Amino acid sequence: AQSVTQLDSQVPVFEEAPVELRCNYSSSVSVYLFWYVQYPNQGLQLLLKYLSGSTLVKGINGFEAEFNKSQTSFHLRKPSVHISDTAEYFCAVVRMDSSYKLIFGSGTRLLVRP
Amino acid sequence: DVKVTQSSRYLVKRTGEKVFLECVQDMDHENMFWYRQDPGLGLRLIYFSYDVKMKEKGDIPEGYSVSREKKERFSLILESASTNQTSMYLCASNPGGGTEAFFGQGTRLTVV
Repeated sequence: AQSVTQLDSQVPVFEEAPVELRCNYSSSVSVYLFWYVQYPNQGLQLLLKYLSGSTLVKGINGFEAEFNKSQTSFHLRKPSVHISDTAEYFCAVVRMDSSYKLIFGSGTRLLVRP
Repeated sequence: DVKVTQSSRYLVKRTGEKVFLECVQDMDHENMFWYRQDPGLGLRLIYFSYDVKMKEKGDIPEGYSVSREKKERFSLILESASTNQTSMYLCASNPGGGTEAFFGQGTRLTVV
């Protein structure tokens, strides 16, 4: 079985400050990793993904994430946030031996304050 | 662009009613998914389908069934709606192979 843990349910931060949203996973096999964002009253859209190759992945809106296999983590970072980054962020995994199930973490609500 | 369309944004149904949530994708994707989203619980997989007429249970299938008669359409059925099924329901699709999923706008279902 696999699971995804997002330890922080809510992260408040001031505008232009850096932010890190944490994601840890457990799986007996290798996985693909994703970060999605959900703005208020909207569906989910992909921020970035890690399939293979470089462990530092860059996504849209200035976000990046680093895959750390030894720590089974895939933390999301942005060096300077904007008010418009206020949203809910979800980490997700898919097992490499089965590309069907996309399993999500519980989400982290990012609140950017002026 | 990939488009995943859910038939309703908001639905209010009575306890015991049979409820159909419809989802259509326009990119010939093999896989389709139904999730429910609740505060603090993230997205939980109800059912997914990897081909026409093929389906597998997700993590919380109890009280739900699905139908996929055509590749582009995936329906979620609540046989007898209950108040604990009040939630946001999200449909998604992907072509498989570890690619990302594309989501619909969601259906907020209230069972009274």
